[in-house]
Order: sequence, then structure tokens, then C-alpha cells
Amino acid sequence: DQQVKQNSPSLSVQEGRISILNCDYTNSMFDYFLWYKKYPAEGPTFLISISSIKDKNEDGRFTVFLNKSAKHLSLHIVPSQPGDSAVYFCAAKRGYALNFGKGTSLLVTP
Amino acid sequence: EAGVAQSPRYKIIEKRQSVAFWCNPISGHATLYWYQQILGQGPKLLIQFQNNGVVDDSQLPKDRFSAERLKGVDSTLKIQPAKLEDSAVYLCASSLWGDYTDTQYFGPGTRLTVL
Repeated sequence: DQQVKQNSPSLSVQEGRISILNCDYTNSMFDYFLWYKKYPAEGPTFLISISSIKDKNEDGRFTVFLNKSAKHLSLHIVPSQPGDSAVYFCAAKRGYALNFGKGTSLLVTP
Repeated sequence: EAGVAQSPRYKIIEKRQSVAFWCNPISGHATLYWYQQILGQGPKLLIQFQNNGVVDDSQLPKDRFSAERLKGVDSTLKIQPAKLEDSAVYLCASSLWGDYTDTQYFGPGTRLTVL
């Protein structure tokens, strides 16, 4: 049973524009949400997180928005750069266990 | 700071054979996790250790998978005997304490192919 869903397997964006990656979850008990970025042949690396008591968290070019009533979060990357091309995983926690989505492959074209 | 180390990086075996993976977490990290990532899926937690004790192994197929973390540092994950559906990337991660705000740091993974 997939509790964290990333419904877009891929996304292509031009360099300099905004990338928006979406994630939906079904378990209202999740209290912490994270985004990980993964390059080929490497493990996922932590990007940004947000607690369920907040609705926005910013870190440089990356902003995560949380809409608890809709059980939806999104990652905004502004401006997008070619080095951002990777697979992005949304993950949600209740306690210690991370529940991952299937990932969205982002391609940023020059 | 050195990251999470895993070996081997790649392994090809035939079904019914045995295989073992090794993980060395970030120094000082008390919590260690093993994940299985099947192609096209997100990582799925198999087992979590806090120091050398098991916190959660509810998703570990215990009839064929085993894991240990001797002395609370390095860990090994074993599959015996392997099945075709075990083909996946096995990721090891570690974190300081394992509480809900703790960041998990992942190793590069071991890609297992079962023929």
C-alpha cells in the first residue's frame, strides 16, 4: 500500500525556470516530510525537510510547501540549473521510519 | 567527514545462492538502516538498528534475509537463498539518534542481480 505518491514519473524544465515537483500522502499521522535527491549510481542525498506544524520551509533555491488539509506537498526549485537534473524522492515520517514515493525524474535543459 | 560506505558496489549471483553486503556508517551515528530499492520504486525499509539492537525488522523477509550489527558499528545484510525478486539496490543509511527530525545519510548502495 503506497502511502506516499509521486504521480509524475518525469518532468522537463528549461534552465532558469521554476521546477515544481509534487507529492501526495494518505496517512494523516505523518509528522515530518523530506525531499531527497538521487544521482545515478549514488545513494539519495537529503535536500530539505518540513515539519507538519509548518506550511513552508526555504533553503536557498529550494522551497517546500505543505498543505496538510489536502495531504499534499511540493518542492519548488528556482531558478532551475542543469545540475539539478536527478531523481527526486518525497518521503514522509511517523516516528523514525521513512516512507518514500517512487520518485520524479527531473531534467533541466540548457 | 567520511560518508556511509558500502561494499560490494555490484553483485551478480544465481538464484538459490547466498550473498552478503557490508555497511560502515558515519562515525558516531547510533542508528543504522537497510533499505531495498527495486527498480522504479522508492527505497523500502528492511531493518533498523539502534546501536547493536534491532528497533524494527517488520518488513524483513526473515525466512531468507538476516542482518546483524556487531559492536554497534558495521553491519552486514545476508540473503540465503536468493530469489529472482531480490534483484534490487540495497541501501544502507545512518543517522545520529533515529528520532523523527534526524537526517538519514545514505551510502551508494549495492546493486544485486539475481539470475
